[in-house]
Amino acid sequence: QSALTQPRSVSGSPGQSVTISCTGTSSNVGAYNYVSWYQQHPGKAPKLMIYEVNKRPSGVPDRFSGSKSGNTASLTISGLQAEDEADYYCCSFAGSSTLGVFGGGTSVTVL
Amino acid sequence: EVQLVESGGGLVQPGGSLRLSCGASGFSFSDHWMSWVRQAPGKGPEWVANIRKDGNDKQYVDSVRGRFTISRDNAKNSLYLQMNSLRAEDTAVYYCVRNLGWYRGDSWGQGTLVTVSS
Repeated sequence: QSALTQPRSVSGSPGQSVTISCTGTSSNVGAYNYVSWYQQHPGKAPKLMIYEVNKRPSGVPDRFSGSKSGNTASLTISGLQAEDEADYYCCSFAGSSTLGVFGGGTSVTVL
Repeated sequence: EVQLVESGGGLVQPGGSLRLSCGASGFSFSDHWMSWVRQAPGKGPEWVANIRKDGNDKQYVDSVRGRFTISRDNAKNSLYLQMNSLRAEDTAVYYCVRNLGWYRGDSWGQGTLVTVSS
């Protein structure tokens, strides 16, 4: 049982938008603006796509955006492309006395 | 270019020990927090341990505290994870991660597989 709850899968056609939710609690997502999102293709290491809720590292397409409301963070992929098909994990800071926590992951399928 | 290369994984019996290493290059290793993250087969990732730039502050997930020890040698640009009293549930791919703070893991190694089985 992961600390953060994500839908198991979402899908969309090329060019469409999909949104992945990440629901935590007032002790993690709701308490801090330190939510990050990772993309993972099969057999590869995770790749940072969003950090501090809505910031993109250099090189990440602006099709990827993040937001947060209360205890729920979201990742939106606009203009879905075939290479976006992957697993996505959210992660949140949960205080200084514990390590960060991940969600269970969402599989994105491009139809 | 930032590079992180893990080594030391393998098959070990329950109760055994293993030491993972991570060689870093392409950045100033001593200026960054580093972390170990593991991912069990078919599961999501899990932060295992963090270590401060100077090695004097270490943090662990509850499930490994007292069994695993994270360390670093800044002179050798290397990160380590000593794993003792290994259990079947420790079976996972272990990644070395540069942690820019607040769990912003911007660079990951390719991972090394640890299998705990008799």
